[in-house]
Amino acid sequence: AQSVTQPDIHITVSEGASLELRCNYSYGATPYLFWYVQSPGQGLQLLLKYFSGDTLVQGIKGFEAEFKRSQSSFNLRKPSVHWSDAAEYFCAVGMYSGGGADGLTFGKGTHLIIQP
Amino acid sequence: NAGVMQNPRHLVRRRGQEARLRCSPMKGHSHVYWYRQLPEEGLKFMVYLQKENIIDESGMPKERFSAEFPKEGPSILRIQQVVRGDSAAYFCASSPRSGQAKNIQYFGAGTRLSVL
Repeated sequence: AQSVTQPDIHITVSEGASLELRCNYSYGATPYLFWYVQSPGQGLQLLLKYFSGDTLVQGIKGFEAEFKRSQSSFNLRKPSVHWSDAAEYFCAVGMYSGGGADGLTFGKGTHLIIQP
Repeated sequence: NAGVMQNPRHLVRRRGQEARLRCSPMKGHSHVYWYRQLPEEGLKFMVYLQKENIIDESGMPKERFSAEFPKEGPSILRIQQVVRGDSAAYFCASSPRSGQAKNIQYFGAGTRLSVL
């Protein structure tokens, strides 16, 4: 069965500093990979996705992520964080079985705190 | 184009009552997914439906939980005889059957169920 590990439960970063959130997955094949962001009391917003091709993917709000097959990782990065980036970040994996996308498997999330 | 609509946003039930959660997918989307988020946890997949069909219910508890997506109207997640452990946020996501976005799930804002 697939699994997703986000090793950092909380991360604190100063505003303007760079950010990297880690995500490792366990899967038999190359999955579809996603990063979602959740603000308090809200639903999930898709930041970016990887299906195939270029292993460095760009997303919204200045985020990017790099797929590294050899490390089974899909880390999220941002060169300079803003106070509005404070939120919960979830990495997810899924697969497409022909009839449609299967249910996603989520990590437990990383809570990002921005220091002024 | 409205996003995924879930209602109610908040639902309070006493132990033993029934809870009905509704989800209207995005226009043009024929696939619906339900997830449960417990406090301090990531989202757990429950069930994947297409119109009038349950495709994958591997994440659904064996008792008291059911889901449907009728030909007309929203998808319904039904929890009978609720217990305190059912208190959680329930999220619905939808995706289209074809096109560039077919493997992307778009999430609603969730229904927060509290069982007294």
